[in-house]
Amino acid sequence: GAGVSQSPSNKVTEKGKDVELRCDPISGHTALYWYRQSLGQGLEFLIYFQGNSAPDKSGLPSDRFSAERTGGSVSTLTIQRTQQEDSAVYLCASSWTGKMGYGYTFGSGTRLTVV
Amino acid sequence: KNEVEQSPQNLTAQEGEFITINCSYSVGISALHWLQQHPGGGIVSLFMLSSGKKKHGRLIATINIQEKHSSLHITASHPRDSAVYICAVGAGSARQLTFGSGTQLTVLP
Repeated sequence: GAGVSQSPSNKVTEKGKDVELRCDPISGHTALYWYRQSLGQGLEFLIYFQGNSAPDKSGLPSDRFSAERTGGSVSTLTIQRTQQEDSAVYLCASSWTGKMGYGYTFGSGTRLTVV
Repeated sequence: KNEVEQSPQNLTAQEGEFITINCSYSVGISALHWLQQHPGGGIVSLFMLSSGKKKHGRLIATINIQEKHSSLHITASHPRDSAVYICAVGAGSARQLTFGSGTQLTVLP
């Protein structure tokens, strides 16, 4: 596609349920990032995938959060046993690297509400 | 202390005014990004710069590497420019971004 696609755009879930958020990056972008923006807060880094390297998971807030990237393309962020504090906008971005440096493209985000 | 500081946090302007949003950072960077976030959460990348100045339409972004400071200017502001503007830096070899807290801009007709 022309941009980074995220689904669903909105998700309401009950506390304790598991959720999966999907990110479809731009074809050819080797790096993929997940960020989170809690209400009234700035964006925070969650996890980063680069090619076939082991992902940088240093931003994941707890072991209830995990992510995978299949075939170097689509990524899924999974939150197990959701809590109300998980309510946030989850943003995915992918990046390219070239002679002119690198660039980012952001998805429109998934707004997660845990009730 | 946040590594990326933006000012002001909130800015209200009249249509047509010239607007400046500032960003200071404390780490060595590979690039600085200016992003625009509209209600609903979607983010659009406005600029990526590592030196000098870039211009796109009514938007101008400048960066001073020595002073670790960047500014985003909007000329002839319009109500449709109302959004949150976010400064983000990529530090060294790390590709993940560190974000400022954003500037909420409201342009009144």
